[in-house]
Amino acid sequence: SQQGEEDPQALSIQEGENATMNCSYKTSINNLQWYRQNSGRGLVHLILIRSNEREKHSGRLRVTLDTSKKSSSLLITASRAADTASYFCATDAGGSSNTGKLIFGQGTTLQVKP
Amino acid sequence: KAGVTQTPRYLIKTRGQQVTLSCSPISGHRSVSWYQQTPGQGLQFLFEYFSETQRNKGNFPGRFSGRQFSNSRSEMNVSTLELGDSALYLCASSLGWEIGSNIQYFGAGTRLSVL
Repeated sequence: SQQGEEDPQALSIQEGENATMNCSYKTSINNLQWYRQNSGRGLVHLILIRSNEREKHSGRLRVTLDTSKKSSSLLITASRAADTASYFCATDAGGSSNTGKLIFGQGTTLQVKP
Repeated sequence: KAGVTQTPRYLIKTRGQQVTLSCSPISGHRSVSWYQQTPGQGLQFLFEYFSETQRNKGNFPGRFSGRQFSNSRSEMNVSTLELGDSALYLCASSLGWEIGSNIQYFGAGTRLSVL
């Protein structure tokens, strides 16, 4: 079963607008990651936030983590058409922090209109 | 550095056949993990190999198996294919030993269609 649930399932915005996606998970974690997938291809790692961190930035990406609510959000600012993709959160579900076993959410499909 | 390479990219098989998928990890990475992605079930973890040993296993039937070679390359085998095995199979590699950082680097995937 999936560890996480993401919402919204789909999001459509105009270029230049901000996009926010949310992820909830069920078990304790060591870290939480966000990945992007373009049209049925491989996933690309975006950002990792550790369980003792509350917020992290990388370029136009901002991730927050609330371990008390078991939730995370990904904010993409000033979106571009090239940001059109599916976005997934993934956790280690409390396993070893060097494990390759990640539990993925169902993903949010983002469409950015030019 | 070259990325994760999966072969073949596309595969068409019939029910009852078996299939072998291959994955070459990034040089220096010792962990290789396999995932199945379908529209209905999403991304599901199959198994992880580290230094030729299976380190983690997901909830898939025994028809799904894998192995890792001494050069860290990995293969995944599915025997007695079923229609429901049609999916995108993704391989990911990572260092595998770095505590606190399990960032996965994914290949482009193998699209398997079972007819």
